[in-house]
Amino acid sequence: AQSVTQLDSQVPVFEEAPVELRCNYSSSVSVYLFWYVQYPNQGLQLLLKYLSGSTLVKGINGFEAEFNKSQTSFHLRKPSVHISDTAEYFCAVSSNTGKLIFGQGTTLQVKP
Amino acid sequence: SQTIHQWPATLVQPVGSPLSLECTVEGTSNPNLYWYRQAAGRGLQLLFYSVGIGQISSEVPQNLSASRPQDRQFILSSKKLLLSDSGFYLCAWSREGSSYNSPLHFGNGTRLTVT
Repeated sequence: AQSVTQLDSQVPVFEEAPVELRCNYSSSVSVYLFWYVQYPNQGLQLLLKYLSGSTLVKGINGFEAEFNKSQTSFHLRKPSVHISDTAEYFCAVSSNTGKLIFGQGTTLQVKP
Repeated sequence: SQTIHQWPATLVQPVGSPLSLECTVEGTSNPNLYWYRQAAGRGLQLLFYSVGIGQISSEVPQNLSASRPQDRQFILSSKKLLLSDSGFYLCAWSREGSSYNSPLHFGNGTRLTVT
């Protein structure tokens, strides 16, 4: 069975500072990894995905994530955040034997 | 381009009343369709998914049901709402066929409050 753990429920950070949102997964088979963002009272929007190939994946809004198979991690990073990045972020994992499983979410709070 | 519509945006219903939430997708054929529920601090829980008309899979036993009367229409229903049914309900679609590596596209959600 697959599972996803987002290690931080809330991450406060000042504007223009770098940020890392952590995600670890467990799976006995090859996985596909995703990060979604949810702005208040809206649905989720895909930020980026890892299916295969380069382990460093670039997404929208300046975000990137790195797939680390040995550490079973897929952390999300941005070198300089804006107030508009304040949102909830979800890591998700799937494989060819299962469905998409979401983590509990991390709330990113960008302060001026 | 593909779009997904979900309504209503907010809903307040008394305990014991029926529920019907509707979701439609435009611009694609035979999509996989999903209903998720998001409770505060609990992430997203997959409730139902459908790979075709009349084909519904339920992920968890509950007070809710789903139907897919048309290719691009997905309905979430309940005959009698419980307080525990309160939450944020999200409809989503992905491309037909193998969905494990296809991203999901979400609607804007329905905030349901059962009083």
